[in-house]
Amino acid sequence: AQTVTQSQPEMSVQEAETVTLSCTYDTSENNYYLFWYKQPPSRQMILVIRQEAYKQQNATENRFSVNFQKAAKSFSLKISDSQLGDTAMYFCAFMKLANKLIFGTGTLLAVQP
Amino acid sequence: NAGVMQNPRHLVRRRGQEARLRCSPMKGHSHVYWYRQLPEEGLKFMVYLQKENIIDESGMPKERFSAEFPKEGPSILRIQQVVRGDSAAYFCASSTGTEGQPQHFGDGTRLSIL
Repeated sequence: AQTVTQSQPEMSVQEAETVTLSCTYDTSENNYYLFWYKQPPSRQMILVIRQEAYKQQNATENRFSVNFQKAAKSFSLKISDSQLGDTAMYFCAFMKLANKLIFGTGTLLAVQP
Repeated sequence: NAGVMQNPRHLVRRRGQEARLRCSPMKGHSHVYWYRQLPEEGLKFMVYLQKENIIDESGMPKERFSAEFPKEGPSILRIQQVVRGDSAAYFCASSTGTEGQPQHFGDGTRLSIL
C-alpha cells in the first residue's frame, strides 16, 4: 500500500522569502502521479501543482515549483516570493492511474508580514 | 458555475438520523470521488464512482455508509443512523477519468452531529 509522509506539521516564512515543504512517499509502482493541494482557511481544496513520475523535469507553476527525486521517493514544494495569500495547509498527494488520491497529513504554512 | 458543486455546505443532524450529501461533478467529468476530513487531519479516501458503477469503495465503512452516482442527477453519499464520530468535512472531487488527470474538489459539506 502506498503511503505519503509530510514531516513538517507547521512552517513559517516571511513575506517575499522562499520556503520549501517536504514530502516523501512509499510505493512499489513505477508509473504514478504526485500533486500538491492547498487548503486555505476557507477550507477549499485547491490544486497547486502536478508531477508525472515518468518525467524527469520538475514541474513549475509561476511561483511554485517542485523538486522531484524519484529514486529517493521525495517530492518537495518550493514557494518563491511568498505572499500573505499563500497562508494555508498544504497537502502532498499520490495517485496511481486515475484512482484515488492518497494524502499526507499536511503542513500548515504561515506567511508573516 | 462549471466547478464541482456540493450541497449543503453545512448539515446538522441528531444522533440516529440520516445524512444525505450531494455532489454534482464538474461539466465534462464522469468520475466522482468522496473523501472525509476529520478535524485537524488530512483527507481520507472513501469511495470512487463512475456513472451507475462503484469502482472502488475500499475506504468506505462497511456499515451505515453508502454512495451512488445515478445515470441522471448528482452523486449521493448517504450516512444512516449517524453518530458523533461522523462529524467531519466531506469533500467530493471529480475528474475525466483519464490517467493522471487531477481531481477537482468541491467546497465540501461540513457535517455536525448533535
